[in-house]
Amino acid sequence: QKEVEQDPGPLSVPEGAIVSLNCTYSNSAFQYFMWYRQYSRKGPELLMYTYSSGNKEDGRFTAQVDKSSKYISLFIRDSQPSDSATYLCAMSAYDSNYQLIWGAGTKLIIKP
Amino acid sequence: DAGITQSPRYKITETGRQVTLMCHQTWSHSYMFWYRQDLGHGLRLIYYSAAADITDKGEVPDGYVVSRSKTENFPLTLESATRSQTSVYFCASSEPNRPEGEKLFFGSGTQLSVL
Repeated sequence: QKEVEQDPGPLSVPEGAIVSLNCTYSNSAFQYFMWYRQYSRKGPELLMYTYSSGNKEDGRFTAQVDKSSKYISLFIRDSQPSDSATYLCAMSAYDSNYQLIWGAGTKLIIKP
Repeated sequence: DAGITQSPRYKITETGRQVTLMCHQTWSHSYMFWYRQDLGHGLRLIYYSAAADITDKGEVPDGYVVSRSKTENFPLTLESATRSQTSVYFCASSEPNRPEGEKLFFGSGTQLSVL
């Protein structure tokens, strides 16, 4: 079993829909949680960064962390075709020497 | 331009040849990382470096060599390329101060094909 599980998709939704992307993990020591967005033929770019539990909002994006369930989510409101990309979750523990454990990524397609 | 640059963008080589992928960053970040990305595996860490002259193995280091004589450069060498090393390679850097240390900045990648 992988430390971080993420459904690879693809997930296809119509423009304007609310998108929910999720990852589950097994290591209870994880404290830092990130979502990266990766466009085709580009490197990943950091989208959201959360420490410990709770919610964080940035514009149309909301990241949620539920440490009791070992479950993190990324919500995208009013989805746009420009949101079409692969979304990767990543996480790490305090003593990890900044090494991240990555999900495999979910490919998201927003249909106009 | 500030940022992290990788070269070459595309590379085709033959099995058994030595190949070096270059990575250069202008932020003076202490940490640098090499990842490979393959379908079904996501990003896998090959090597990382905490500072100049300090390197350590990641999840999949076999067949790769790194060096870091200067803070800004972190080349990755495939000593004798194999077809299983066909992949997209990403270099990344980060500033080590918590809580920001986990924020990685990636280059655009090198697509390597080993024939």
